[in-house]
Amino acid sequence: DVKVTQSSRYLVKRTGEKVFLECVQDMDHENMFWYRQDPGLGLRLIYFSYDVKMKEKGDIPEGYSVSREKKERFSLILESASTNQTSMYLCASRGVNGYTFGSGTRLTVV
Amino acid sequence: AQKITQTQPGMFVQEKEAVTLDCTYDTSDPSYGLFWYKQPSSGEMIFLIYQGSYDQQNATEGRYSLNFQKARKSANLVISASQLGDSAMYFCAMPRIGGAQKLVFGQGTRLTINP
Repeated sequence: DVKVTQSSRYLVKRTGEKVFLECVQDMDHENMFWYRQDPGLGLRLIYFSYDVKMKEKGDIPEGYSVSREKKERFSLILESASTNQTSMYLCASRGVNGYTFGSGTRLTVV
Repeated sequence: AQKITQTQPGMFVQEKEAVTLDCTYDTSDPSYGLFWYKQPSSGEMIFLIYQGSYDQQNATEGRYSLNFQKARKSANLVISASQLGDSAMYFCAMPRIGGAQKLVFGQGTRLTINP
């Protein structure tokens, strides 16, 4: 069964902390995505990666960065967490058979 | 730019009734596809159904079907004989024009099935 695994289901961090959200896929997909989900706004693309070390900004990249050192792992980094980054974060990968999503990380910044 | 609009923030339906979730879209791409995903409280996005713009027939997958009206730019999801397990968030999405097929999502509809 193909999988996208997000390392944390729930996370609570303090304002100003550097936060890492990890995502691993086992399908050898080249394309990986980070989305942010907020009520009434749906999912919005933060960053996208189309290969190792290759990345592209999405619609709301401010305050975030990403890292893709290995094909299977795509990390989202909050350089200095703020309360307005409290949200649900979803990772996805895409292959020839479509998209696979992780279960999400619900991040609360206090 | 492409846009997906879901105008129903919440829907409440009796078990065993059919339900229609609305989705309208805007795109300049002559060839496109539309996805519907279900997101239960556990968080993962579950693929339900896909409609290609040039498909001759409306897509169906078990109890799910798409009421695709190309001229109206709408792709409504129909769930027949609803079940309690259908309670979830539902998202309509389409790939963005250009490489890598980044998905653009609607705002979502929260469906609650009442016993």
